[in-house]
Amino acid sequence: DIQMTQSPSSLSASVGDRVTITCRASQGIRNDLGWYQQKPGKAPKRLIYRASSLQNGVPPRFSGSGSGTEFTLTISSLQPEDFATYYCLQHNNYPPTFGQGTKVEIK
Amino acid sequence: EVQLVESGGGFVKPGGSLRLSCAASGFTFSNAWMSWVRQAPGKGLEWVGRIKSKTDDGTTDYAAPVKGRFTISRDDSKNTLYLQMNSLKTEDTAVYYCASDWEGIADQWGQGTLVTVSS
Repeated sequence: DIQMTQSPSSLSASVGDRVTITCRASQGIRNDLGWYQQKPGKAPKRLIYRASSLQNGVPPRFSGSGSGTEFTLTISSLQPEDFATYYCLQHNNYPPTFGQGTKVEIK
Repeated sequence: EVQLVESGGGFVKPGGSLRLSCAASGFTFSNAWMSWVRQAPGKGLEWVGRIKSKTDDGTTDYAAPVKGRFTISRDDSKNTLYLQMNSLKTEDTAVYYCASDWEGIADQWGQGTLVTVSS
């Protein structure tokens, strides 16, 4: 199975900060990666698909980049509603595998 | 608007069975590949399995921990996805989400249903 290693596992940031989360794949996955946001008690919501395509309705402060083994989710200016846990998910190889999550907390 | 509504969760003893349902609306269900994803309490997300559309041969794939115990099926006439779970173990305790697959895996998600396996 492909291992997805997310970093950091948690971070503290302030409103307005630029935040970057990284996912590394144990082998190349082209751009077969999505990013998800999950708030407590809620279902995950996809933000980015194909590594860099913004899901409909997602604010443009969210962006994704990368290909192969290294991927990044960037929030350009953190908003109060962005405090949540973020996951990456690869679907290049079965089984699809998630990163372990990054919890973004208020500083 | 896409809607996915899971039901059928509950409390079951180890070795027992449970069938989850996922009612879909707002899109052409028969054309959609569908997945199940679970999340144990306080833990991360885990893909459980997937069923293709019947036009794409309708086959299923499963994660290793559930293969041989769980079965995914679909009834396109009812726009409903199912997850039959047999020989349940305590480690199957989780919130189970159904999701539609578009441009990869898990585009839209349901609200989830909790399955608790305990003696």
